[in-house]
Amino acid sequence: SAVISQKPSRDICQRGTSLTIQCQVDSQVTMMFWYRQQPGQSLTLIATANQGSEATYESGFVIDKFPISRPNLTFSTLTVSNMSPEDSSIYLCSVEEGRRSSYEQYFGPGTRLTVT
Amino acid sequence: GESVGLHLPTLSVQEGDNSIINCAYSNSASDYFIWYKQESGKGPQFIIDIRSNMDKRQGQRVTVLLNKTVKHLSLQIAATQPGDSAVYFCAESSNAGGTSYGKLTFGQGTILTVHP
Repeated sequence: SAVISQKPSRDICQRGTSLTIQCQVDSQVTMMFWYRQQPGQSLTLIATANQGSEATYESGFVIDKFPISRPNLTFSTLTVSNMSPEDSSIYLCSVEEGRRSSYEQYFGPGTRLTVT
Repeated sequence: GESVGLHLPTLSVQEGDNSIINCAYSNSASDYFIWYKQESGKGPQFIIDIRSNMDKRQGQRVTVLLNKTVKHLSLQIAATQPGDSAVYFCAESSNAGGTSYGKLTFGQGTILTVHP
């Protein structure tokens, strides 16, 4: 299975600032995904990031707030812009590995963001 | 949008017992389902998946059952161990005629606590 790492693992940021989260995969993957997990809650998909094209955002998420880069098949970044305390969450990237009988999706360890 | 939900937010069992975690989904177009385990401070870990053309799939100590008639999914863990203590999420997806199941909709999660 794919091994995914994220940087930073956690951060405490002041409101109004921006943070860029990096996601690195140990193999080439076509599709990468960014999720948000608010405290004590489930995961919500922010956007899909494909190499060579603009990210596709889910309802409630916009590019100005969460710009995404996907410069190659092993790397992506998510920026949380103009942060407010409501952005305090765990941000996770994931990748999909398609096989004959399953489409296993793997997650990174997450970036725990606290906005003060 | 349509969502996936769980009947029980917490489940407490004794070591060695069998555990059953339930999940209801509402999107009739969903044709792929996954169970994840999330331990504190970590990203979700893939446990087992099932396609809609199946009603049962077994893994190591785990079984997933799918009832499409009532849109219900369950995860059975045999001989539960303290190391199984975690939050368990169901997730559903539809490839909508494409090739990717990467856009997952997660349920709210069940906290499983195993007492020695």
